[in-house]
Amino acid sequence: AQSVTQLGSHVSVSEGALVLLRCNYSSSVPPYLFWYVQYPNQGLQLLLKYTTGATLVKGINGFEAEFKKSETSFHLTKPSAHMSDAAEYFCAVSDGSARQLTFGSGTQLTVLP
Amino acid sequence: GAGVSQSPRYKVAKRGQDVALRCDPISGHVSLFWYQQALGQGPEFLTYFQNEAQLDKSGLPSDRFFAERPEGSVSTLKIQRTQQEDSAVYLCASSDSGTSLKTQYFGPGTRLLVL
Repeated sequence: AQSVTQLGSHVSVSEGALVLLRCNYSSSVPPYLFWYVQYPNQGLQLLLKYTTGATLVKGINGFEAEFKKSETSFHLTKPSAHMSDAAEYFCAVSDGSARQLTFGSGTQLTVLP
Repeated sequence: GAGVSQSPRYKVAKRGQDVALRCDPISGHVSLFWYQQALGQGPEFLTYFQNEAQLDKSGLPSDRFFAERPEGSVSTLKIQRTQQEDSAVYLCASSDSGTSLKTQYFGPGTRLLVL
């Protein structure tokens, strides 16, 4: 069984500040990890994913995440927040053989002017 | 091309009514997934199709929930005798592969409110 914990259901940052959204996972097998973003009244959009290989993954819109096996973490970062980054962010895990994704409960990001 | 589309976008049902939610996946996508997203929560897996075969329905919460994809394209999620706890956003996703290594593309969802 797998699970995801997203620390902080709400995060606020100033425009131009660092964005850090935390994700910890639990998996009995090597995990595949994903970050999705959801804008109001829209479906989820994939930001980035880790499957194998390089542990630092770059995604769209300037986001990146680092897979740290020792910490069972996959935190999402962006050096400089933009107003358009305001949305809800979901971390998800899969074991690769299963087709389903297991999602965390989400983090709502607010960007302050 | 067009993304995943879902209809209706909003549905209000009286408790006890049956509802049917439609998903049009991206053309040619083999895999189709249904998720349920309760208010303030992340999506939870309901069921998975590969072409017309329903390979996993372990997430369906009760026998009131039924999904089909008879021709391997459009899918319908049916909820019989709706209950208030069925109120949620129902998300459909599709991918061009049978594994989650391939990106799942999500539709905008159907927001169901059961009164």
